[in-house]
Amino acid sequence: GESVGLHLPTLSVQEGDNSIINCAYSNSASDYFIWYKQESGKGPQFIIDIRSNMDKRQGQRVTVLLNKTVKHLSLQIAATQPGDSAVYFCAETRENGANNLFFGTGTRLTVIP
Amino acid sequence: DAGVTQSPTHLIKTRGQHVTLRCSPISGHKSVSWYQQVLGQGPQFIFQYYEKEERGRGNFPDRFSARQFPNYSSELNVNALLLGDSALYLCASSFFPLGHEQFFGPGTRLTVL
Repeated sequence: GESVGLHLPTLSVQEGDNSIINCAYSNSASDYFIWYKQESGKGPQFIIDIRSNMDKRQGQRVTVLLNKTVKHLSLQIAATQPGDSAVYFCAETRENGANNLFFGTGTRLTVIP
Repeated sequence: DAGVTQSPTHLIKTRGQHVTLRCSPISGHKSVSWYQQVLGQGPQFIFQYYEKEERGRGNFPDRFSARQFPNYSSELNVNALLLGDSALYLCASSFFPLGHEQFFGPGTRLTVL
């Protein structure tokens, strides 16, 4: 499958600051892009997704931005909290029958109290 | 409602042995997917089942097999274990076989010695 990668493997932010996690993808045929949060010893937890025909979607304290021109995806977390410390993965999927997820390698976010 | 459950949580095997991992999807979900997550990497797709039929297979050797039962639970079997099979095995379920609607279980940590 196509690769989904991340620019930065680690990110440290002060509590209360905003966090931005970036992801580059290479398959322009993807239909959905999804962000997952994975805490130590747990499975990936869905955060937010965005369809390929959108460029922005907001959730609670999170915003996902999609720039199809440069094949770039970002996750913005507002007012980062210690509980946000985890590994964040972007993933992409297509709806053409092979509906599996293609994951990147992840970014470890550490929130400094 | 209970989320996706997997058993066992941890497992230690030796090379050449066989292992069976089990997954119970969220109630009402008819699709189950399996992923392998090697330490430090993102999950990689192994299989997807929907309505007891295989809908997709990732790039894994024939030593890996799976099936889905009438109650939509699923088993992943791995034969002739290799050291490189040591990983966290994740199960994800969804109502339809759509990648962006999958919910993950906590995983089974397999260690091959």
